[in-house]
Amino acid sequence: GDSVTQMEGPVTLSEEAFLTINCTYTATGYPSLFWYVQYPGEGLQLLLKATKADDKGSNKGFEATYRKETTSFHLEKGSVQVSDSAVYFCALIQGAQKLVFGQGTRLTINP
Amino acid sequence: GAVVSQHPSWVICKSGTSVKIECRSLDFQATTMFWYRQFPKQSLMLMATSNEGSKATYEQGVEKDKFLINHASLTLSTLTVTSAHPEDSSFYICSASILQGVSGKAFFGQGTRLTVV
Repeated sequence: GDSVTQMEGPVTLSEEAFLTINCTYTATGYPSLFWYVQYPGEGLQLLLKATKADDKGSNKGFEATYRKETTSFHLEKGSVQVSDSAVYFCALIQGAQKLVFGQGTRLTINP
Repeated sequence: GAVVSQHPSWVICKSGTSVKIECRSLDFQATTMFWYRQFPKQSLMLMATSNEGSKATYEQGVEKDKFLINHASLTLSTLTVTSAHPEDSSFYICSASILQGVSGKAFFGQGTRLTVV
């Protein structure tokens, strides 16, 4: 079945550092890809998405490009802030089906 | 945009009692909703798929008699944790998916933090 594999955490960076969180997927068909963020004590929020190959999703300085050739959707940010500390989930969906989540990566940004 | 509302956002109950969690799609019809459970510091695990007007489909290892799911209308699905025990304490999240063109999109409720004492 479909699956998502994320870079294992936790990840700890200093403020203004460059961030990459790797995400690869296995899927039949042509899934849509997502990054969700979960701040402490809160539910999930959609961070960005891409629906087809070579699409780039972006939001709040974060970017991820749908790479079909490498089945990847890595999350990047050029300069992280303390407020970016959260758990990040990569996920895919096929049509109107269930979301398949990666295991989540906990990110901590130190001032 | 589409909104999914989940209620309550948190609940504390005594061991042995039952707790009902509601998930509503506010501005669209959701024939299918999904219930996830999240253990501390872990990912979301799909518990079951809730189908309007029919029985829910449970994932392997999820007790259907313990986690009762009812999807009586196109805008409401409920999850009832029956005879709750401390090990049922967790964060429960519902979602609904819709098709937008040829791609899918999921909308999440705010989540319910259940604490069983």
